[in-house]
Amino acid sequence: GAVVSQHPSRVICKSGTSVKIECRSLDFQATTMFWYRQFPKQSLMLMATSNEGSKATYEQGVEKDKFLINHASLTLSTLTVTSAHPEDSSFYICSAPGRKTSYEQYFGPGTRLTVT
Amino acid sequence: GIQVEQSPPDLILQEGANSTLRCNFSDSVNNLQWFHQNPWGQLINLFYIPSGTKQNGRLSATTVATERYSLLYISSSQTTDSGVYFCAVGTSYGKLTFGQGTILTVHP
Repeated sequence: GAVVSQHPSRVICKSGTSVKIECRSLDFQATTMFWYRQFPKQSLMLMATSNEGSKATYEQGVEKDKFLINHASLTLSTLTVTSAHPEDSSFYICSAPGRKTSYEQYFGPGTRLTVT
Repeated sequence: GIQVEQSPPDLILQEGANSTLRCNFSDSVNNLQWFHQNPWGQLINLFYIPSGTKQNGRLSATTVATERYSLLYISSSQTTDSGVYFCAVGTSYGKLTFGQGTILTVHP
């Protein structure tokens, strides 16, 4: 299957600072990637669609100015949590389709963000 | 939006037992995937199964798209099968809606 990596795997930051999370497709190109968040003991919720070369598409209720997404190349999407607050603490996971002809999604290992 | 319901929410088994997890969804889909989330949070792809039946070792899955449900079968369960199992469905390219998951605990 396709391989998706994320960096960092874990980050702790102070309230008010910004944090950047990277999502890379290692063995394939992805013109589209997806960002999800997961609160403890809950399910995953789609936050936004990252589109290579164009603006991201955000789901209803997700603040685009707080969660900045940049899809700079066919293998890299970044999520920046700006002016982070404790309520932004969560598990952030990205996904990408493994093949252009398939809807099947492959997920990165996730990034655990803790804002103190 | 589409609704996804998984049952049971929790399942406790003895090693060697068989189990069936169910996923009901409220609309036609072009993607249905089953995942196992390990203790570190990684989602492991189990099946991509928008319709039909597939088997992989002790695991198998069946999706009856016309009746809007999917089943995941685990046979001869092992302690390493413990974790959270998610069903996720998609109606547009790439976007997935996840169920609430089934927490499986397998005791030795």
